[in-house]
Amino acid sequence: DSGVTQTPKHLITATGQRVTLRCSPRSGDLSVYWYQQSLDQGLQFLIQYYNGEERAKGNILERFSAQQFPDLHSELNLSSLELGDSALYFCASSVSWNTEAFFGQGTRLTVV
Amino acid sequence: EDQVTQSPEALRLQEGESSSLNCSYTVSGLRGLFWYRQDPGKGPEFLFTLYSAGEEKEKERLKATLTKKESFLHITAPKPEDSATYLCAVRRSGGSYIPTFGRGTSLIVHP
Repeated sequence: DSGVTQTPKHLITATGQRVTLRCSPRSGDLSVYWYQQSLDQGLQFLIQYYNGEERAKGNILERFSAQQFPDLHSELNLSSLELGDSALYFCASSVSWNTEAFFGQGTRLTVV
Repeated sequence: EDQVTQSPEALRLQEGESSSLNCSYTVSGLRGLFWYRQDPGKGPEFLFTLYSAGEEKEKERLKATLTKKESFLHITAPKPEDSATYLCAVRRSGGSYIPTFGRGTSLIVHP
């Protein structure tokens, strides 16, 4: 158990809908990362927050957004969902921006 | 652009047959090379961090080494429970320090 908690574990929704994925980082970790992993794809970085502020953006679609709250938990919002958005979404956290990241167990999103 | 290439893509071993996985990287100013293990449908599990050429880290049957251009994950006398995908990631100095991941090596150890 990495100490990073993601909910829900599974999510099935229809195209065009909006969903919110939640992440609680390890106790004491200030940095949160979101990654997407599609079938046969590697881990694609989406966005990073550090102590409540956006620090870096990857190839995140405009339909996706995220935020980190004062208690350091983070949410990833996915809207106008398409079939191609079906993937595993991982949250990871680290103490600082230059230390190793620990991953949660992921949310498996299926868009039908 | 940072690049991380892992080889082989897939590896099948017999139980007890030692081997090595390779992670080649192109990054300016390395600030950490990370190895993770990922089981199907699960989140990556952190294994090691290496910071400088010549550094080595060990954990049970796994040993990670680092040179200026690549890292190796040596698996000694593997067991079926070592079957997983092994991911390598690099972080460079400057910029956002975001780890860039390779595509991984899928390891299957047959009993």
